[in-house]
Parts: sequence; structure tokens; C-alpha cells
Amino acid sequence: DAKTTQPTSMDCAEGRAANLPCNHSTISGNEYVYWYRQIHSQGPQYIIHGLKNNETNEMASLIITEDRKSSTLILPHATLRDTAVYYCIVRVPRAISSGSARQLTFGSGTQLTVLP
Amino acid sequence: SQTIHQWPATLVQPVGSPLSLECTVEGTSNPNLYWYRQAAGRGLQLLFYSVGIGQISSEVPQNLSASRPQDRQFILSSKKLLLSDSGFYLCAWSVQVAFFGQGTRLTVV
Repeated sequence: DAKTTQPTSMDCAEGRAANLPCNHSTISGNEYVYWYRQIHSQGPQYIIHGLKNNETNEMASLIITEDRKSSTLILPHATLRDTAVYYCIVRVPRAISSGSARQLTFGSGTQLTVLP
Repeated sequence: SQTIHQWPATLVQPVGSPLSLECTVEGTSNPNLYWYRQAAGRGLQLLFYSVGIGQISSEVPQNLSASRPQDRQFILSSKKLLLSDSGFYLCAWSVQVAFFGQGTRLTVV
């Protein structure tokens, strides 16, 4: 799985958009970008994923650069409950990996603090 | 819909005692299964993963072992717990996307 680089921490004002960057310059052609978040003392929660097109769901938007070497997770209207550690991961999903084992390794993530 | 069950939520065990944490998945078949540990204030450390029944890969040499006796059951075990085994243990399953259980907070005393 490709390595990712994220800022250690970020602050965001409540109600404003939170833009969390991730660099994955060694991403390969069949690797997807996944985002998860972990609120203190809970299991990580899936947010969104994508291959090369921008994606949006009820939680967030994912913007992937044309060369796929970086991406940004956007929380359009951050709330206090969005305070968490956000993880960016790139990997080949099991569904298209021909059944071969795929580790799921987390980096250090970004601690997002939403301020009132 | 798919769900993942992990229990117990909290556990306090004496040093030298055995451990068995169980994780079961519903609503999917032949998933990848994972065990992670998270020390206080630290990131997620992958301990074991499994791509099928009886197939276990260990990521970190340690005092723990894992088994997958059924397709949707993943067990984390130890014969004799150490103080350093304390932590937050998470089970996860994955096909396209990974989903996590709510974790077990283990304190070895």
C-alpha cells in the first residue's frame, strides 16, 4: 500500500468548511484513496473513498488531483462533533485484488479540532 | 446490512491470565478480517489479518495469536497476558471498504 503524508493537526471554526489534505505521491494506478475518522475511544468510521473522480456523499466531499498524487477531504460545514483524528489511506480494495491478501495500515492521521 | 460485533467492551485481566476476544461479522461473506491495537494517545497498529478460514498473517511479533475458525469469526488470544498487552483492541472487516467494531479496552493489572 502506498504511503500517505498528512499534517499532524488542524483547527477549524464551527460552521466553516474543513479542508484536510493528504499527499500520496507514490500511488499506483489501481489504488483507491480512502478516508476514515476516529473519534476518541471509538472505532474508526468510514467516510468516503474514490479512485480518480471527485466524490461526494452525505458526510463529505473528496477531491483528487488529476495526477492522483494528492487529495483533499472537505467537510462542508464542520460541527463540534467532527472533532476527530482523520486518516487517509491508499490501497487496492479486496474486491479487485484477485483475492490476494491486502494489509490495511493506518498512518498517524490529522487531529482536526473544531472550535466553537 | 453488514454488521460487526466485538466483545467485551471493557476487560480487566491480571498479568499471566489468558485472553480471548471475539469478533463476528454478519451480512457479508469471505471478508478480509483484521485485529488492531491502539495504545493510549497512539495510532492504530495492525496485529493480524486474515483472507480466509485458517489463514492468518501476523504483522508484529508478540504475545498474542489469532485464529479464524469460521468465515465470519475472528478470535484474538493470549496464553499469558503481559502488562504491555494493555490497550484498545479493534476488529475490522473489509471487502471494498473497511468497517470497524467498537473496540475492547483491555487493562492488564
